[in-house]
Amino acid sequence: QKEVEQNSGPLSVPEGAIASLNCTYSDRGSQSFFWYRQYSGKSPELIMSIYSNGDKEDGRFTAQLNKASQYVSLLIRDSQPSDSATYLCAVSEGGSSNTGKLIFGQGTTLQVKP
Amino acid sequence: EAGVTQSPTHLIKTRGQQATLRCSPISGHTSVYWYQQALGLGLQFLLWYDEGEERNRGNFPPRFSGRQFPNYSSELNVNALELEDSALYLCASSLEISGPQFFGPGTRLTVL
Repeated sequence: QKEVEQNSGPLSVPEGAIASLNCTYSDRGSQSFFWYRQYSGKSPELIMSIYSNGDKEDGRFTAQLNKASQYVSLLIRDSQPSDSATYLCAVSEGGSSNTGKLIFGQGTTLQVKP
Repeated sequence: EAGVTQSPTHLIKTRGQQATLRCSPISGHTSVYWYQQALGLGLQFLLWYDEGEERNRGNFPPRFSGRQFPNYSSELNVNALELEDSALYLCASSLEISGPQFFGPGTRLTVL
């Protein structure tokens, strides 16, 4: 069973702080990694994509990937109350051919307190 | 650029009925994916369509089926509805198969 694990939280940080969200995955064949943000009652919104080891920065967001450790993380700098949401880690299913399937973690709820 | 659209927003059915959900991908995207998000279960992969063909399906019974039309829009059909089919059904599209998937607003299906 291929799995993606996230701490469900809630993760509570003060406004302006750095929020650190973590994710581990079991499928060594995975090649594509994504972070989505989902507000309550809404659909997931893509925040970051990362495909190779290292860091990728986009504005206040930094994604980190370590394939050897099967670990993906998302850092949110200068956290704002509007960042309060559930963050979903998604990993492409690996294998000899592309299956189109993303495997999602259960999500980490982030609360940014003013 | 318009995003993924889905209809209807809400759908209420009774057990045993059939439900049809519709999705239009982002212009230029040929791959369409369907996911189910039931309460407490996270997003579960249902189906993948590309160029009009079903390419992969998740661990769901055959009463979940669908199709993709020549204009790349897609339809998800759920037959013989059961109470546990109540969920948010999300459609996504992508430009590249290994690229990010962009989600529509979802259809909330309630089975009474």
